[in-house]
Amino acid sequence: DARVTQTPRHKVTEMGQEVTMRCQPILGHNTVFWYRQTMMQGLELLAYFRNRAPLDDSGMPKDRFSAEMPDATLATLKIQPSEPRDSAVYFCASRVGDYGYTFGSGTRLTVV
Amino acid sequence: SQQGEEDPQALSIQEGENATMNCSYKTSINNLQWYRQNSGRGLVHLILIRSNEREKHSGRLRVTLDTSKKSSSLLITASRAADTASYFCATDFNDYKLSFGAGTTVTVRA
Repeated sequence: DARVTQTPRHKVTEMGQEVTMRCQPILGHNTVFWYRQTMMQGLELLAYFRNRAPLDDSGMPKDRFSAEMPDATLATLKIQPSEPRDSAVYFCASRVGDYGYTFGSGTRLTVV
Repeated sequence: SQQGEEDPQALSIQEGENATMNCSYKTSINNLQWYRQNSGRGLVHLILIRSNEREKHSGRLRVTLDTSKKSSSLLITASRAADTASYFCATDFNDYKLSFGAGTTVTVRA
């Protein structure tokens, strides 16, 4: 089965450190999303790309978060500097057309 | 903000029983999707129903959509322990973004 691969699966970091999360979307999927999941807020859309172009990153705190797709096989989400309130599970998902998303297994981030 | 809202928030049933959960949304949609999330895992796409469809089946899953009431339901028939998970509805407004509800937590008791 084709799958979306996210690394790392778990990350514990100290407040103020830079965090980079990576995602390899399914080959041929031209739309890539980053979501954040917390108990309090549920699933929040942070950013999404179509054909590698950023279409919407209005859900991201701009001062500390950045998302990029340097090529079709890699999407990155960076947090600099990280804060305890950033602790969450970050999911990458990809799709083609208007079919369902395929989600990765997520990166569980803990900022202490 | 979350567009879809699932009801109930939590559901506990006996193995073999049916489980029904509902989703309401606020604005016109292109399609509505249901996802399952097992504890500690990513979301898995279950079924997509388009705005011009009223009912769809996939194995033991049955989804209905009533665009006049802006609501959808997911029925899981003959539930199994492996169906224990959280179920999310997600709405698509023609711009390829999905808006997820808060989810229904389903527990299937053996």
